[in-house]
This record gives sequence, C-alpha cells and structure tokens, in this order.
Amino acid sequence: ETGVTQTPRHLVMGMTNKKSLKCEQHLGHNAMYWYKQSAKKPLELMFVYSLEERVENNSVPSRFSPECPNSSHLFLHLHTLQPEDSALYLCASSQVEQGAFEQYFGPGTRLTVT
Amino acid sequence: EDQVTQSPEALRLQEGESSSLNCSYTVSGLRGLFWYRQDPGKGPEFLFTLYSAGEEKEKERLKATLTKKESFLHITAPKPEDSATYLCAVPFSSSGYSTLTFGKGTMLLVSP
Repeated sequence: ETGVTQTPRHLVMGMTNKKSLKCEQHLGHNAMYWYKQSAKKPLELMFVYSLEERVENNSVPSRFSPECPNSSHLFLHLHTLQPEDSALYLCASSQVEQGAFEQYFGPGTRLTVT
Repeated sequence: EDQVTQSPEALRLQEGESSSLNCSYTVSGLRGLFWYRQDPGKGPEFLFTLYSAGEEKEKERLKATLTKKESFLHITAPKPEDSATYLCAVPFSSSGYSTLTFGKGTMLLVSP
C-alpha cells in the first residue's frame, strides 16, 4: 500500500456515458497528479494540482475534467469519451518542497471505452 | 525531443544472470533522477532518487548509479520476482512548474 487509493479499479463505459474516477491520498501531501498510461508509451501527465490549485493542464481534451476539492482528494470526470481514451489512469501525490519531486502512485483505474 | 530515454526496451534474463538497465537524459541542471518499478496492471512503486554524479543507492538486488548523462540500474543475481517494468524519470519544467518526465521503461523478465 502506497497511501494512495483509486476507485474504481476497473471501468467499462460507452462513448455516451458520464463517469468519474476518484483518488484519495493518506500521506499528507499537498500536490496531486493525473497520468494516462497507454501501451508502449511513457506516462503522460494530464493535470497537476498544487495546494488545491491547478498548475498544469497538458493540452488534455475537454472531455476530461479534473476536480480537486481538498488536498486529499482528486477526481477525474469523464464524458463522451473515445475508444482511444482506453488506458490505465494513474493518480499520484507528492509533497511540494524545494528539491523534492518524489511522487507516490495509486494502483490505477483500467478504463475501457466501448 | 525526448528528455528521458531508456534501454533496452525489453530484457530477458535467467535467474541469477546479472545485468544493467540504462536511462539517459538530456535535461540540463539535473534536480534528481528517479527510478520506479511497475508490475502489470499496477501503479509505479518508488525505488530510488539520485541527485549527483557518482551517487549510488542499493535495495536488495538492485543498485542505481548516476553519471552526468545517464543512470544505470544494476540487477545482481535476479530472481523471478524481480520481473517488472522499470521506469526512470527526471524533473522537467515546461511552463514554470516542474514535474517528472518519464521514460518508456524497460520490461524485465527473469526466468527460473
């Protein structure tokens, strides 16, 4: 257990559905991240929240909408997804301090879009 | 342009056969190099951070080393349970906020 939990672990959704992924960290960190991991590609950073403020949005399509209500919780709201959005979605957290970049990951949500 | 390149893409070893994985980077002013292990269907697990050339860190059968241009993850007498994908990452800033940029990983398979 890394102290970062994600639910659900598996999700199958149609292209017209709306669903949300949830992440919770129990490490007392102040930054949280969403990554997308597809086969044979490096981890793709999607969003970063630091001190509950979104500080990074890597040209992610608007069908992905993040929400960070507090420093322990992070959501990724999904709507009208495409089959190419099928991937492992990983949440991570870290303590943002000068020179500290270690991130701790959750187990991921395996998303399949049909 | 890739900031982090890992090789080989895949490596198959016999149990007990030592080898090394490579991670080369092009980021200037390195602020740390990070190694992770990822098992299939799971999130990456943090292994090591290296900050300066010449630094070494060890954990069980793994030893990570760092030079000014690359890092090596040496695996001594590996066991089947060491089979996983090993990822390296470096901090990179594209918009004023620094976060980790990951390589594609090396998939290691250790056969009994």
